Parts: sequence; C-alpha cells; structure tokens
Amino acid sequence: QKEVEQNSGPLSVPEGAIASLNCTYSDRGSQSFFWYRQYSGKSPELIMSIYSNGDKEDGRFTAQLNKASQYVSLLIRDSQPSDSATYLCAVLNRDDKIIFGKGTRLHILP
Amino acid sequence: ETGVTQTPRHLVMGMTNKKSLKCEQHLGHNAMYWYKQSAKKPLELMFVYNFKEQTENNSVPSRFSPECPNSSHLFLHLHTLQPEDSALYLCASSQAIRVGNTEAFFGQGTRLTVV
Repeated sequence: QKEVEQNSGPLSVPEGAIASLNCTYSDRGSQSFFWYRQYSGKSPELIMSIYSNGDKEDGRFTAQLNKASQYVSLLIRDSQPSDSATYLCAVLNRDDKIIFGKGTRLHILP
Repeated sequence: ETGVTQTPRHLVMGMTNKKSLKCEQHLGHNAMYWYKQSAKKPLELMFVYNFKEQTENNSVPSRFSPECPNSSHLFLHLHTLQPEDSALYLCASSQAIRVGNTEAFFGQGTRLTVV
C-alpha cells in the first residue's frame, strides 16, 4: 500500500464551484498533514497545514482531517482559473519523514 | 528573495561529469531535505538533515552525495550519473524535526538533465 494516496485526476471543476481534493495515508502514527500547490514547472508551495481532527479554514481553502479514517481533504470554494494546478498531499509520518502523494491535477473551467 | 534558494536552476551534465547542487535557506530552520521529482512519480525523499546531522538516507545510490556544512546550507554532489537521474531536484527546509511546526518550504528546484 502506498503511504500517501491521491487520485491523479484531472479533476475538472467549473469556475465559482467548490473543488474537493482527497487524500488517504497509511501510517496511523502520522501527526502533521499538509497541502501544497504546484504549478507546472514550479516548485511546491505550501497552502495549508493541519494537525488535529476537524476543519481548518484559511480564506477560500478548508482542510479537513479525520485521523480515524486516515483521510485528509482540501476544499477550494469559489474556484478560480488561477487555482488550476497540481495539489500535493503530504504527511509527516512516525519516522519523521514528510511523504508526498503523486498529486491531483485540478482544472478550473472558465 | 524566497526563503529557500537553489542554484543552479538548470543543469545539463554528461554521465562522466561531477557537479554540485546548492541550497541555502534564510528562514532560521534547522532541518533540510533533498527531494527528487520525476515525471509521473511522487516527490521522492532522498536525504534529511536535522541540526546538520543526516537522519535519513532513503537508499539513494552513492552517485548522489549530500553535504550539510551548517544549518543554512545544503549541497548535493553528483558524479557519474545516469540518464534516468534526469529530474527536478528540490531542496526544502523546516523547523527542526520534533521541535515546533514541521511545515516544509521549498526552493525553486534545479532541473537536471543527464546526457
């Protein structure tokens, strides 16, 4: 089983709608969870971190964590064309390694 | 200026060359990382340094040799690479592992092509 799994997409969402990105992880001892955005040809940019169960909101972004289900999600409200990118889920596991998923390509349709 | 700076941004090298990638962070962090990003693969963790000590070597071939002279600088020395080593090499830094926030911030990356 891969350590961090994401649907590779592409996920197409109309402009103005909510984009929902999902991630599961295998190490139940993981404590820290991150979402990065990566534009083509650029390096990953941290957009959200979450450490405890529940929701964390920052502007149009909401991260959701459910440790019992080993599930992390990112919601993007009022999606904009500039949100089109690859979104990487990352997990700090019990071995203190930050492990990344393959990423989900998000395409916002104008 | 970004908090994590990598040089060079692009590198083309032959299989018999020796080159080095450099990373410098200005964030006051104590942990630094090298990741490799190949097409259609997740980011692969190569090396981790925590307070200048290497804490992880993810079965990386010896043709890649890291060096961390201080908490602000990280190098990746390359020699006798193979074409399949062509990839984007990303440096990242964070607060020291197990101390405070562990959010990692990335440099712009070095696009390496081995010919």
